Amino acid sequence: QVQLQESGPGLVKPSQTLSLTCTVSGGSISSDGYYWSWIRQPGGKGLEWIGRIYTSGSTNYNPSLNSRVTISVDMSKNQFSLKLSSVTAADTAVYYCARADSSGWFAYFQHWGQGTLVTVSS
Amino acid sequence: EVVLTQSPGTLSLSPGERATLSCRASQSVSSSYLAWYQQKPGQAPRLLIYGASSRATGIPDRFSGSGSGTDFTLTISRLEPEDFAVYYCQQYGSSLYTFGQGTKLEIK
Repeated sequence: QVQLQESGPGLVKPSQTLSLTCTVSGGSISSDGYYWSWIRQPGGKGLEWIGRIYTSGSTNYNPSLNSRVTISVDMSKNQFSLKLSSVTAADTAVYYCARADSSGWFAYFQHWGQGTLVTVSS
Repeated sequence: EVVLTQSPGTLSLSPGERATLSCRASQSVSSSYLAWYQQKPGQAPRLLIYGASSRATGIPDRFSGSGSGTDFTLTISRLEPEDFAVYYCQQYGSSLYTFGQGTKLEIK
């Protein structure tokens, strides 16, 4: 059973770059047929999809964040990563990594990490 | 971008009652690309329903989904204590995902 685990700094200063990593276990990130996504949730609020990456390196980003987001994959470490630049307090949220499968036409997320809280504050 | 609007914002019911949650899309969504999730405090969302009406693995049959086009519904036939949580709908289209704002199902 695949498992995902987010990691990274819990505190980031305004204007800096938020960097998170999602480590995948129980399966290879290089296997074909999966999109790997980042999703966030500000405290007490709803879910916002940030972006995704395919094993080929192809990416799609939420237009509202597109200019600040970079998602990459490191197959040697079985990880994918998120970088969000020029952060403000509005970027404070729990960040989740998740997987969408080709068996479901990549339409939904069956596997999620537990989430990691990132606070933007000086 | 497809905007999903969920109603009601909060639903207060008692165990054993039937819950009906609505998700309305700003434009037509393929039924294949509509999903529902349950989220409890401090936990990641859990997939309940995909393809508008198919239950995910391990989801009890008291959960059912229906709808098409712009109107979708999640029904919980008889509420169990563990069903009180926040529920989100989500759609996929044009390589983008959007979520509704959620419905909080609380114990009356």
